[in-house]
Amino acid sequence: GQQLNQSPQSMFIQEGEDVSMNCTSSSIFNTWLWYKQDPGEGPVLLIALYKAGELTSNGRLTAQFGITRKDSFLNISASIPSDVGIYFCAGHSSSNTGKLIFGQGTTLQVKP
Amino acid sequence: DAGVTQSPTHLIKTRGQHVTLRCSPISGHKSVSWYQQVLGQGPQFIFQYYEKEERGRGNFPDRFSARQFPNYSSELNVNALLLGDSALYLCASSTDLGDFEKLFFGSGTQLSVL
Repeated sequence: GQQLNQSPQSMFIQEGEDVSMNCTSSSIFNTWLWYKQDPGEGPVLLIALYKAGELTSNGRLTAQFGITRKDSFLNISASIPSDVGIYFCAGHSSSNTGKLIFGQGTTLQVKP
Repeated sequence: DAGVTQSPTHLIKTRGQHVTLRCSPISGHKSVSWYQQVLGQGPQFIFQYYEKEERGRGNFPDRFSARQFPNYSSELNVNALLLGDSALYLCASSTDLGDFEKLFFGSGTQLSVL
């Protein structure tokens, strides 16, 4: 099935470091979303982006909707142990009502 | 308030059998979506229902079917199970079709096909 290209696949960092991950697509999206999934749980929305060029923050998280509408990135500043988990980007285009296309995920591990 | 609830949480089936997975949306939510998440991958869209009508279908074979009931709960049915159907099946509910800030996922049903 169709998936977005998300990188890196995994990251192992020291507590306090900043983290950056990105997502690219061959198709244009009207909405970009970033989710976090913990083991045994469903994805939880972190940030939603609705406009090309938009830069949005949620606490230590910052995400941007690429100008081409084909990419997005997520930054986490000053990582802490509870940031551990799998992060997914997801895109939505109005031609597929309600359907989200997800990336393969970035697994983040934080060493205290 | 209760979140999206799915049952069962875990299920083991053998090839060729069929399975029914159930989802209860958050109270007041009229849209339910189903996703399949294979280990190590992101979720893949299967179906979306809104007001009991199918509003979207992903690239899955006809062995997969779903329906939404008058109380907005939903069932996902998979016939003639294959080993490759082993996955976490996620249900998500929202107030409207494209309201992603009010889209919430359940914890999923882990299906193992032996």
